[in-house]
Amino acid sequence: DAGITQSPRYKITETGRQVTLMCHQTWSHSYMFWYRQDLGHGLRLIYYSAAADITDKGEVPDGYVVSRSKTENFPLTLESATRSQTSVYFCASRDSGTGFTGELFFGEGSRLTVL
Amino acid sequence: QKEVEQDPGPLSVPEGAIVSLNCTYSNSAFQYFMWYRQYSRKGPELLMYTYSSGNKEDGRFTAQVDKSSKYISLFIRDSQPSDSATYLCAMSIGPTGTASKLTFGTGTRLQVTL
Repeated sequence: DAGITQSPRYKITETGRQVTLMCHQTWSHSYMFWYRQDLGHGLRLIYYSAAADITDKGEVPDGYVVSRSKTENFPLTLESATRSQTSVYFCASRDSGTGFTGELFFGEGSRLTVL
Repeated sequence: QKEVEQDPGPLSVPEGAIVSLNCTYSNSAFQYFMWYRQYSRKGPELLMYTYSSGNKEDGRFTAQVDKSSKYISLFIRDSQPSDSATYLCAMSIGPTGTASKLTFGTGTRLQVTL
C-alpha cells in the first residue's frame, strides 16, 4: 500500500524496557520526522532525517534513538522507557523538491503507554 | 514562553456559523504558515498554506497572516459537522534544511453541532 505506515499502532510496556516504533514510507521522500503529541504541548519534534544516514535532534530528543539506513524506514527507539514517554507518536515525511508548502504526510500514530 | 501560542478550546459552534481560529507567535523569522486539520485518532493533514503576509482563500476556508502583529487566523465559513476536528497552526523559517522544520501550535479542538 502506498503511503506512510506506523507500527505498532498501540503498545503497552513497562518502565525500563526498550521499545521500537517503526515507520515506513513508499514515496521515497527524503525528509522523515518523528513527533510526539501530548495534551497541552501539541506536536513536538523528537528527531528528523534529511536523507539516509543523516539524522538530527529536534526539540525533545532525550531518551530516544533513531537510525535511517534506508530511505523508506525511520525507526524510533526508546532505549529505557519512562512514564513521561507515554504519548502518541507520529511519523511524517515530505519531499525535498521545489515548491515548499510545508506539507508533511503523517502516519496514523503509535499510541504508547509506559506503566 | 512557547514560540507559537494557540487557544486549545474546545470551541463549539452551531452548523452554518463562521469560525475563527487563531495563533500568535514570537519568532519574527517565521515566513511560512500552515494550518493542519486532525481528526480524532488520525494524523494531521495540511489544510492551508500561506507564505508571508496576506490572505488566501480555498473554498470555505480563508487563511490570514499579519506578520506585523505576529498573528495568523483561519476562518471557516458555513461550518459543517464534518469540520469537527482539531486545527493546528504550524510555521517555519525557510523552505529548506533546518529552517524548514515546522513549529506547531497546541491545536484548537472544534466541534460543529447540528
